[in-house]
Amino acid sequence: QQQVRQSSQSLTVWEGETAILNCSYENSAFDYFPWYQQFPGEGPALLIAIRSVSDKKEDGRFTIFFNKREKNLSLHIKDSQPGDSATYFCAASLTNTGKLTFGDGTVLTVKP
Amino acid sequence: GPKVLQIPSHQIIDMGQMVTLNCDPVSNHLYFYWYKQILGQQMEFLVNFYNGKVMEKSKLFKDQFSVERPDGSYFTLKIQPTALEDSAVYFCASSSGGGTEVFFGKGTRLTVV
Repeated sequence: QQQVRQSSQSLTVWEGETAILNCSYENSAFDYFPWYQQFPGEGPALLIAIRSVSDKKEDGRFTIFFNKREKNLSLHIKDSQPGDSATYFCAASLTNTGKLTFGDGTVLTVKP
Repeated sequence: GPKVLQIPSHQIIDMGQMVTLNCDPVSNHLYFYWYKQILGQQMEFLVNFYNGKVMEKSKLFKDQFSVERPDGSYFTLKIQPTALEDSAVYFCASSSGGGTEVFFGKGTRLTVV
């Protein structure tokens, strides 16, 4: 059973819209949830992260909404730009191990 | 920002040969990781390493795989012997602790022919 699932393989939005990427997880012990952005030919780069004690984390145009009871979270990208076009990975870990379990990724395309 | 460097960026090797992938983690980081990504698929954890020891490894970390970081030099992943299914992009990562930001390198694309 996949431990971290992303509901969409791909998502297309228009420039200026809010992109919403969804993620769910199985292991209720996970307590750290980073989102990574990956461009072709590059390694994943941390975009924003949330700990399970919080239900919302905001950083500029990026916001994570977290629902511990439902074991799901979402990444909202406000005012999407063509430069946001990339693959976004939801990940989860236990703080004491550092080992990240990744979802399959969502390829976001922002059309101008 | 902090960078993890991986050498080489591409490697083509004959099946059955040995390959060593090199990683220069972020200085003062203590935790090191290898992940494997097959084209178009998810990033999968292979192994993490702390204080000179493997802490945890996944079922993808076969007996032919080994890791080490002798005397603070490169953190390496060695595959001996290689198999066709080892073809993938291997990402090295490091962090200062559990639950802290994990920094990834750009990956080494390994092709076993």
